[in-house]
Amino acid sequence: DVKVTQSSRYLVKRTGEKVFLECVQDMDHENMFWYRQDPGLGLRLIYFSYDVKMKEKGDIPEGYSVSREKKERFSLILESASTNQTSMYLCASSPWTGGVGQPQHFGDGTRLSIL
Amino acid sequence: GDSVTQMEGPVTLSEEAFLTINCTYTATGYPSLFWYVQYPGEGLQLLLKATKADDKGSNKGFEATYRKETTSFHLEKGSVQVSDSAVYFCALPLLSSNTGKLIFGQGTTLQVKP
Repeated sequence: DVKVTQSSRYLVKRTGEKVFLECVQDMDHENMFWYRQDPGLGLRLIYFSYDVKMKEKGDIPEGYSVSREKKERFSLILESASTNQTSMYLCASSPWTGGVGQPQHFGDGTRLSIL
Repeated sequence: GDSVTQMEGPVTLSEEAFLTINCTYTATGYPSLFWYVQYPGEGLQLLLKATKADDKGSNKGFEATYRKETTSFHLEKGSVQVSDSAVYFCALPLLSSNTGKLIFGQGTTLQVKP
């Protein structure tokens, strides 16, 4: 079974802090994704990566950056946390699609509160 | 562009009732189709999938059939349990990008009462 592990289930930080959310997958997947989930807004893609050191912006990248130095690890960085970044953050991974379309495998999520 | 539309929730049912959650899609090509489930406080889990027209995906008593002619992938279960209370997402891959991106519906909340 694919395992996607997010470093924290709950995290509380202060406004202006630099925050790191870590995600590790154990199935050698090429693709990795960061989403945020807010009530009434569904899942929104922040950033994704299709290879080591490669990254692309999703739908809501403002205020975030990412790092992928190793294939198994994808980090989401809040450069200067703000209260409107309080949310549930979900990491996911998937293998190279080969044009077929593969499902993504999700971690358990990190519920981040910015005070 | 490609899109997924799910019926709005919440859906409230009594235990042992029949469940249908509607999902329709617009897509370029013939993508696979997925249903995910999210239990309270957890991440999304792949519930079932179908890879081509007329395929039926099934898991844990849930079923969905890939209908190309109606561009639909409705989720059904014959007899729901309280433990099925969760949020359900329909999704399809964005094949044109070849980056593994998925397009998700907005999610449908199911509440099952004893």
